Amino acid sequence: DTAVSQTPKYLVTQMGNDKSIKCEQNLGHDTMYWYKQDSKKFLKIMFSYNNKELIINETVPNRFSPKSPDKAHLNLHINSLELGDSAVYFCASSQDFTLSYEQYFGPGTRLTVT
Amino acid sequence: AQSVAQPEDQVNVAEGNPLTVKCTYSVSGNPYLFWYVQYPNRGLQFLLKYITGDNLVKGSYGFEAEFNKSQTSFHLKKPSALVSDSALYFCAVRGFNTDKLIFGTGTRLQVFP
Repeated sequence: DTAVSQTPKYLVTQMGNDKSIKCEQNLGHDTMYWYKQDSKKFLKIMFSYNNKELIINETVPNRFSPKSPDKAHLNLHINSLELGDSAVYFCASSQDFTLSYEQYFGPGTRLTVT
Repeated sequence: AQSVAQPEDQVNVAEGNPLTVKCTYSVSGNPYLFWYVQYPNRGLQFLLKYITGDNLVKGSYGFEAEFNKSQTSFHLKKPSALVSDSALYFCAVRGFNTDKLIFGTGTRLQVFP
């Protein structure tokens, strides 16, 4: 069983389109995250939810909107896609958001905007 | 502000030799330190963490890391490298009064047969 899963694995789309990436974790964790990894492999937090509540909202364009229908799911919707949005997006989860818990990552979604 | 530095973009080591991947950090208060590994086209996998206690932390796949408070370092080590250890390694830090995990820029480890 995959602990943290993401769909789709690859997403190729044109500028201006709207797309969503889905994430599910079956670990029973309370906290979920979205990260962006750029072409240089730099990894940056975008959002974090704890029990469906937003707790981290980094400086991300408001074209990006996370949605957590329940604590096992955290989806990422992106409006009006731009070339600079091309990256690998990782979902992650942790037992909760306190300091000592490690995060478990999904396999990533490679988004290519043309 | 908290930060983490991995000074080497790439580390090359022969199979069977010991390896070290360096990490230094800057946080207010006590740090919480993590190492993750990323294999090609995969997500990050947790290797080990330092929260408190013994400065030498043992983790998955024979890796260990030493916390050095005076040098603000948390270097990853393995006594005998395997070709299969070749991957991208990330150090990460979280400070006591912050809510975010900050990742280093990653170090590519290449183990040659």
